[in-house]
Amino acid sequence: NAGVTQTPKFQVLKTGQSMTLQCAQDMNHEYMSWYRQDPGMGLRLIHYSVGAGITDQGEVPNGYNVSRSTTEDFPLRLLSAAPSQTSVYFCASRLGKIAGGTDTQYFGPGTRLTVL
Amino acid sequence: AQSVSQHNHHVILSEAASLELGCNYSYGGTVNLFWYVQYPGQHLQLLLKYFSGDPLVKGIKGFEAEFIKSKFSFNLRKPSVQWSDTAEYFCAVNARTGRRALTFGSGTRLQVQP
Repeated sequence: NAGVTQTPKFQVLKTGQSMTLQCAQDMNHEYMSWYRQDPGMGLRLIHYSVGAGITDQGEVPNGYNVSRSTTEDFPLRLLSAAPSQTSVYFCASRLGKIAGGTDTQYFGPGTRLTVL
Repeated sequence: AQSVSQHNHHVILSEAASLELGCNYSYGGTVNLFWYVQYPGQHLQLLLKYFSGDPLVKGIKGFEAEFIKSKFSFNLRKPSVQWSDTAEYFCAVNARTGRRALTFGSGTRLQVQP
């Protein structure tokens, strides 16, 4: 298994540009999530999905869109990039079928995004 | 909603010193607790987790954590750190019911000096 994969690894955007961060997993996990990591703030949840066709907002959803058309893929779209979106973005997935939410969450390698 | 506090932002230790990193959470219901580690330039990996049973849980690389329900705490410990333990450590919690998304603390950067 490749686990959780993310592309690209690095990206530089200009303010106002749009782009899509890709995330895929090959573990047949139901739950997928997007986090952003900023110094001193830990990881904050942007959006998550509990299965194909189902998405919901996390703590910091503004400026981002997601969709989940397949179990494997969970792309994150930046609609109009702003300097405040400069961050490291992590995609994560977990099985989701275990009652009580005790299943381990697996993280991708991250995408480092800079918005100028 | 749940929240997680990690009060130690940056810890510097010498090799062989003992480690204890604090983690407190706030939530009215039953939770699962996790510690993740992020080595420089790498993604997060699970160190250990607690969801029921013995409140002292052991993880990989000699780490352990103790859940103290009355104090809403889940502190991470290691008797003797190594230079290779230099990393950032994150405590996380999720609720047993409902959304069950993980909420992370702000992280503790551990620097182990040889």
